Amino acid sequence: KAGVTQTPRYLIKTRGQQVTLSCSPISGHRSVSWYQQTPGQGLQFLFEYFSETQRNKGNFPGRFSGRQFSNSRSEMNVSTLELGDSALYLCASSLNRGSPGGYTFGSGTRLTVV
Amino acid sequence: AQTVTQSQPEMSVQEAETVTLSCTYDTSENNYYLFWYKQPPSRQMILVIRQEAYKQQNATENRFSVNFQKAAKSFSLKISDSQLGDTAMYFCAFMKQTGNTGKLIFGQGTTLQVKP
Repeated sequence: KAGVTQTPRYLIKTRGQQVTLSCSPISGHRSVSWYQQTPGQGLQFLFEYFSETQRNKGNFPGRFSGRQFSNSRSEMNVSTLELGDSALYLCASSLNRGSPGGYTFGSGTRLTVV
Repeated sequence: AQTVTQSQPEMSVQEAETVTLSCTYDTSENNYYLFWYKQPPSRQMILVIRQEAYKQQNATENRFSVNFQKAAKSFSLKISDSQLGDTAMYFCAFMKQTGNTGKLIFGQGTTLQVKP
């Protein structure tokens, strides 16, 4: 059974550009969440999608957005990149919202903004 | 708002020994889940163990066990017979069971080094 797949693994972008990250959840999983991980702020929740609808959103500016497709694959987009957006972006999937089985994480996308 | 606190930024243990990582949390919820995740240098977060708040019995997964004290809002992780492969960053996480669920709230993490 394939795990959560995130692409690309590494990304270098210039300040002001925009970026799109992709996440393919485990087959059958319908809830997808995104997290930003930085040394200073730790792991912070970005948003959660279920049935193609954003169900939950963290405290991030509107430059951060996402979507989920009918096959549960998800993308997140960051526009007008800032140096502070450099981070590891992790995607996680679960069978359903609030599943007691917890969330399975991908290996992340390391974004560097220069 | 819920918060999760891990008061030990770094810990070390000798191979084959036992180590306990601490975690406390704050919530007004009665129904929730608690998790311990492990993040090795490969950076993939791996679920180690989970606990449902309504269950009084402490969860156990092989060498990993928890001490869940609901009244004290404490959720510590015990690793027995530590192995070199246990070297990683460990995160304690909280998730509401109902309502605004689907969001994990993480502690700041504890870096564990297992020494040969």
